[in-house]
Amino acid sequence: KNEVEQSPQNLTAQEGEFITINCSYSVGISALHWLQQHPGGGIVSLFMLSSGKKKHGRLIATINIQEKHSSLHITASHPRDSAVYICAPAMGPQGGSEKLVFGKGTKLTVNP
Amino acid sequence: GAVVSQHPSWVICKSGTSVKIECRSLDFQATTMFWYRQFPKQSLMLMATSNEGSKATYEQGVEKDKFLINHASLTLSTLTVTSAHPEDSSFYICSALPVAAYYNEQFFGPGTRLTVL
Repeated sequence: KNEVEQSPQNLTAQEGEFITINCSYSVGISALHWLQQHPGGGIVSLFMLSSGKKKHGRLIATINIQEKHSSLHITASHPRDSAVYICAPAMGPQGGSEKLVFGKGTKLTVNP
Repeated sequence: GAVVSQHPSWVICKSGTSVKIECRSLDFQATTMFWYRQFPKQSLMLMATSNEGSKATYEQGVEKDKFLINHASLTLSTLTVTSAHPEDSSFYICSALPVAAYYNEQFFGPGTRLTVL
């Protein structure tokens, strides 16, 4: 069983739609990253969170440590949001150089 | 701030040659850098953890003699793929953990695409 499960694997939406990507993990973590990978391969860290909720522009990330679940929401989606979104929990205790474990990613395509 | 660069961004080489990939933190110091590999349509996999001034820690299944890592300064780590073979063709990404990192806030480089002919 994978330690990190993301759903859906693929998602196609119309511009303006509200998007939700889910991530479940099976081990204890210190924090969780949401990453964005564009077709060229470069990775951008969108959020790192260890509890509650964070918002940045049209992006919202939530995490429930007890349920081992996190969600990434995109409001008013736009074609430029088309990318692969990756959930990456950081395993291990707080502080130091914890390792990231990566989900397989959710490929989002937003059509105009 | 918190920019990480990689050089080169892509490289094509012949089988049997060695390739060096650089990872630099441009505006912060990083005692720890991570090297990842991503094969097509697969998720990122951690290869090794690079610590400034000490030997790298390799993940299970990663050959340390094939993937040489040097982290000689607080802003530079290098990955050398020795005697590269076509199966080493992949996308290599580094990330850097700032010295004053809160929790595990890593910053990622843009990646290097290696093609071995």
